[in-house]
Amino acid sequence: QVQLQESGPGLVKPSQTLSLTCTVSGGSISSGSYYWSWIRQPAGKGLEWIGRIYTSGSTNYNPSLKSRVTISVDTSKNQFSLKLSSVTAADTAVYYCARSPRWSVAGGGWDYWGQGTLVTVSS
Amino acid sequence: QSVLTQPPSASGTPGQRVTISCSGSSSNIGSNYVYWYQQLPGTAPKLLIYRNNQRPSGVPDRFSGSKSGTSASLAISGLRSEDEADYYCAAWDDSLSGHWVFGGGTKLTVL
Repeated sequence: QVQLQESGPGLVKPSQTLSLTCTVSGGSISSGSYYWSWIRQPAGKGLEWIGRIYTSGSTNYNPSLKSRVTISVDTSKNQFSLKLSSVTAADTAVYYCARSPRWSVAGGGWDYWGQGTLVTVSS
Repeated sequence: QSVLTQPPSASGTPGQRVTISCSGSSSNIGSNYVYWYQQLPGTAPKLLIYRNNQRPSGVPDRFSGSKSGTSASLAISGLRSEDEADYYCAAWDDSLSGHWVFGGGTKLTVL
């Protein structure tokens, strides 16, 4: 059974960089059959796709966040990571990592999700 | 302001059939599959419908999806109290090098 687990600081200061890691277990991130995404959700609000990575290292980002986002993969650790720079209070949210089948350029729906981790941006 | 438009709320009584709409454009729903997610309070979203109308294993056939042009719908028949949740539609958008977009979510209340 595939499991995803987010980890990282729960509190980040404004203007700093938010860094999260998603550890995948029960399957290899190198299998080549999936995209690995980050999705966030501010309290009481809807879902926002941040971006995704494929095992080759190719990425796609949300145009509204692209200038501040970097997603990377470490196949040796079966992990992928998110960095979001110059954070503000508006970046306070629950951050999820998720997997989607790589059927096409778009890929499929996210079939496995992490439990989510709350990141608060505050001084 | 979400790219895909959903009603903020919907409701029904047990046993009823309810539908939730999702409206987009030619660059997303009009040219790509639609996906639906169910989110129970305090939990991660769960894939409910993929490729417009396909159900993952384990999802009851009370849930069904459809798409026509630049709009899609999720129907829930035989409404149950445990269906009370937030529902989100999502689709790939071909603009700006491609990215995923979501609807704003619909809070379903079982009366």
